[in-house]
Amino acid sequence: AQSVTQLGSHVSVSEGALVLLRCNYSSSVPPYLFWYVQYPNQGLQLLLKYTSAATLVKGINGFEAEFKKSETSFHLTKPSAHMSDAAEYFCAVSMGGNKLTFGTGTQLKVEL
Amino acid sequence: EAEVAQSPRYKITEKSQAVAFWCDPISGHATLYWYRQILGQGPELLVQFQDESVVDDSQLPKDRFSAERLKGVDSTLKIQPAELGDSAMYLCASSDWETQYFGPGTRLLVL
Repeated sequence: AQSVTQLGSHVSVSEGALVLLRCNYSSSVPPYLFWYVQYPNQGLQLLLKYTSAATLVKGINGFEAEFKKSETSFHLTKPSAHMSDAAEYFCAVSMGGNKLTFGTGTQLKVEL
Repeated sequence: EAEVAQSPRYKITEKSQAVAFWCDPISGHATLYWYRQILGQGPELLVQFQDESVVDDSQLPKDRFSAERLKGVDSTLKIQPAELGDSAMYLCASSDWETQYFGPGTRLLVL
């Protein structure tokens, strides 16, 4: 069985500050890991993915994530937050070609 | 850039009525998924298709929900009869094996 835990349902940062959204996973086999972003009343947009290649993954909009097997983590970071980053972020795990198992999401608020 | 299409974007219905949602995946994607997302939660899989065959429908409430993908391309998800608890966002995704790409979703409100 696979699962994802996202620590912090709400995160608030100042514009220009570091963004850190936490994700820990559980999987019985080497996982594929994903971060998606969702704006209100819209679908999910892929930010980045880890599929057993480089452990540091760069995505769109300046986001990146590092796969750490020893910590079973896949935290999402961005050096400098922008107002447009305010959205809900979901971490997800799959075993390749199968369903995604999502975390409960983290709502990111960016303040002036 | 190719996208997953869904319609309608919004649907309001009364309980006990029938509703249907449509999804057109990215061309060439053999795998199609329907997810349900309750407000404040992550999406949960309802059904997965590989071409026209159902691969996983273990979480689909089969007494009221049905899904089909007759020609292995577009798909329809139906609810009959709708219940108040069905109010949610219904998301369709298609996959190139590694990555799932999501459509804009259908927001359903059951009154």
